[in-house]
This record gives sequence, structure tokens and C-alpha cells, in this order.
Amino acid sequence: DGGITQSPKYLFRKEGQNVTLSCEQNLNHDAMYWYRQDPGQGLRLIYYSQIVNDFQKGDIAEGYSVSREKKESFPLTVTSAQKNPTAFYLCASRDRGLMNTEAFFGQGTRLTVV
Amino acid sequence: AQSVTQPDIHITVSEGASLELRCNYSYGATPYLFWYVQSPGQGLQLLLKYFSGDTLVQGIKGFEAEFKRSQSSFNLRKPSVHWSDAAEYFCAVGHINDYKLSFGAGTTVTVRA
Repeated sequence: DGGITQSPKYLFRKEGQNVTLSCEQNLNHDAMYWYRQDPGQGLRLIYYSQIVNDFQKGDIAEGYSVSREKKESFPLTVTSAQKNPTAFYLCASRDRGLMNTEAFFGQGTRLTVV
Repeated sequence: AQSVTQPDIHITVSEGASLELRCNYSYGATPYLFWYVQSPGQGLQLLLKYFSGDTLVQGIKGFEAEFKRSQSSFNLRKPSVHWSDAAEYFCAVGHINDYKLSFGAGTTVTVRA
């Protein structure tokens, strides 16, 4: 059954700690994305990757880092430099073959920093 | 810079009434346009998309959207709303030169009996 898996669904961390959110897809998509969702602000793009070993900053990349060592995986690290990390994080993937294709989303990870 | 604007933060509609959600985009060329729906605490599901051809696009769950180039708009409509349509709706723009995908701030729809 193809899809995108984000884990964990809920994550709690102490302030000042780095934390890594997992995103795995088995759709054979080349492009992958990370978005942050806050109430009233919609989805804001953090990073995206069009192909393995390549990624671009989105609109709010400061305080975050990513890697793309495998096609299936695009983990997001929320570093201690991110000033307000508590949010809902969504991962997505998209077929790179056609630019008009839609993105498919995971179920999200809710990160709470205390 | 490319952007997507959803002017309405929250809309309340009676069950059985029609619904229209507005979306305006700012982009140098005709972009790829999408509407997604999100239930609370969940990921996003695609309702419909537009990239060329007929400017009236049909989607799932009885939704349709119309692309109007002159107004830079891609408004979503449904003739008769069901209680299950209560959710948050997002308009998105796909850039034609790379794979960046930008979203609006969303519109929350409440359906009253």
C-alpha cells in the first residue's frame, strides 16, 4: 500500500534540544517537501528536494536542516536555533516526471517543545 | 515573489447551501493550481487541480473550481454543502520552473445544521 509515513505522530522535546522528524515514502517520487503549519498561517515551506542529494531552502528554513541520502527518505531536523519550534509538521512527495502533478501528504507530526 | 492569497479566514454556511472559497495568486505565468482539504490533525487531500485546458475543473466530493486568468483567481465552489464538508481548505500554486509548491493561509469552513 503506497503512501507517506511520518513518525512519530506526537513528539515532545525540551527546549534547546535538536529533534529529527522522520518522513518515508514508497511512491517512487523524486520530489519531497517539508511544511510547517501554524494556526492562521497556512502551510509554510521549510525545505524541498527535487532529487537525491539535492535540496533547496523554502521560505522559513532558518533553524532547520534536512538531508536526502535516499529517494525514500527526507528527515527534518529542528535545531535549537529555531526560536519557536512548536508546530504541526507535514511532509509531502510529488512525482518529478510531470510538474503538474499533485503532492501527496503524510499525516503529520505535532512537535511540542517545553 | 510568487504568492497565494485566500481572503476569507473563516466561512460559516448552512447545510444544503452553496459554498464558494476564494483564491488569488500572484505569479509571472500561468501556474499549476490546486485545492486541498484538511480534516483536523490530518494531512491534506487533493480536491482538484488545474494546469491547462478547460477553465472549469471538476473534483472529488462534488467540488469544482474555475480558473480566471484576468482575475488571477481559482475559486472553489460546491452547490450544496454537507456537514462532512466542514474542514480547512487550502489553495496551492505549483511553480512552472521548479518543484516549489506554495500554499495559501487556508479557509476554515463551518457547516451549521
